[in-house]
Parts: sequence; structure tokens; C-alpha cells
Amino acid sequence: DIQMTQSPSSLSASVGDRVTISCRASQSISSYLNWYQQKPGKAPKLLIYATSRLQSGVPSRFSGSASGTDFTLTISSLQPEDFATYYCQQSYSPRVTFGGGAKVEIK
Amino acid sequence: QVQLQESDPGLVKPSQTLSLTCTVSGGSINSNGYFWSWIRQPAGKGLEWIGRFSPSGGTNYNPSLRSRVTISVDTSKNQFSLRLSSVTAADTAVYYCARESVGFFVDGSGNYDFFDFWGQGTLVTVSS
Repeated sequence: DIQMTQSPSSLSASVGDRVTISCRASQSISSYLNWYQQKPGKAPKLLIYATSRLQSGVPSRFSGSASGTDFTLTISSLQPEDFATYYCQQSYSPRVTFGGGAKVEIK
Repeated sequence: QVQLQESDPGLVKPSQTLSLTCTVSGGSINSNGYFWSWIRQPAGKGLEWIGRFSPSGGTNYNPSLRSRVTISVDTSKNQFSLRLSSVTAADTAVYYCARESVGFFVDGSGNYDFFDFWGQGTLVTVSS
């Protein structure tokens, strides 16, 4: 299986901060990397697909980028509704795998 | 708008078989360009893909669960189902069904494959 390693696993930030979350794949996955946001008691919500494409309806403060097997989710100016857990997911392999999650908490 | 709704089995006894059904509304389960997956999440932990059904290509399963998992579909009811046999406490989790959109970008830049619609999730507890 392709392993997806996220960092940090948790972070504290303030409203208005720029936040970056990293995800490293254990092998090349081309651009087959998606990002999801999950709030407590809710299903994950798709934010970014194919590394950098914004899902319809998602605010433009979210963006995604990549360098080789390293992928980054950036929130340009953290809003109160952005406090949540974020997961990366590779779809390069038919055996889909997710990262361990990154929890964004209020400082 | 596509909606997915999991059934609610609640409590399952150890060694028994967990059975879940996902009812899809707002779109056909037979439509091209979509797969239908089951994903689970133990309390306080991350997401684990269980397996998928493809209208064109059958089923794929997570190798770690393959010997115990069966995913089937009932197109007449627009439903797909999960059966997980010989359950233990380690199978206690919130189980989600999800639609997986797959295809090619029209600009020729490559393919896409992502989970765009999810059910609300159902908690399955394995306990005697």
C-alpha cells in the first residue's frame, strides 16, 4: 500500500493566520492527491482534488500544491469555521489510502 | 444533489456478520463515471477505505479486510451493501458510504478520482 504521512498531526493557530499542512506519499502518486476537511460528528468534505483544484463552493483561501511526493494544503487566512481535522488521500493506487489527519485547533 | 444514507445496524455481537446498506438518491448507482465505496473511522482515529463497487468493473477491497468483506449492489433499489464477517471489537467504528467520482479532465491534463459525496455515517459497535 502507498503510505501517506501528514504533518503536523495537530497545530494551534489564530484567526487570520496562514496555515500549512503537509502530506508525504511513500512513492510517486502523480497528482492523485485530494484533501478533505472533517468537523466533529460529520462526514469528511472534499476541499481540493487532483493536488490543486478547488472543489466547487470551497472558499478560495484554501489551496493545494505539490513538489514531487510532498503535498501541501494552505489556508491563507484562517477563519473560525476552519477549525477542523484535515486529511489527505491518494487515489493513484486502486487501494485508496488516507493520511493520519491534521487537527487545527484554536490558539 | 446526490445524497447517500447508511442503514443503522447499531450493535453487532463478536464473531457475527456486520451488514450495512447505503441508499443513494438524486442519481443512479449505474451512472458512468462513479464508483461506490465504504470507508470507516474508529473513534478518534483516521479514515480507512474498506472497498468499492464499480458498475463497469466489479469490486475492489482493502487487502487487510479482503477475506472478510463483500460489497454488493441492488440496482433496482439504487442501493449498495457491505457485509463484514467475523467481527471483533476492532471493527467498532463509524461507517461511511461515499461516491467516488472518476474521469479525465477535458483539458487533457490528466485524470481525477475523489470522494465527493458522503453519507452522514453510522456508528457500528461490536460488543456482546
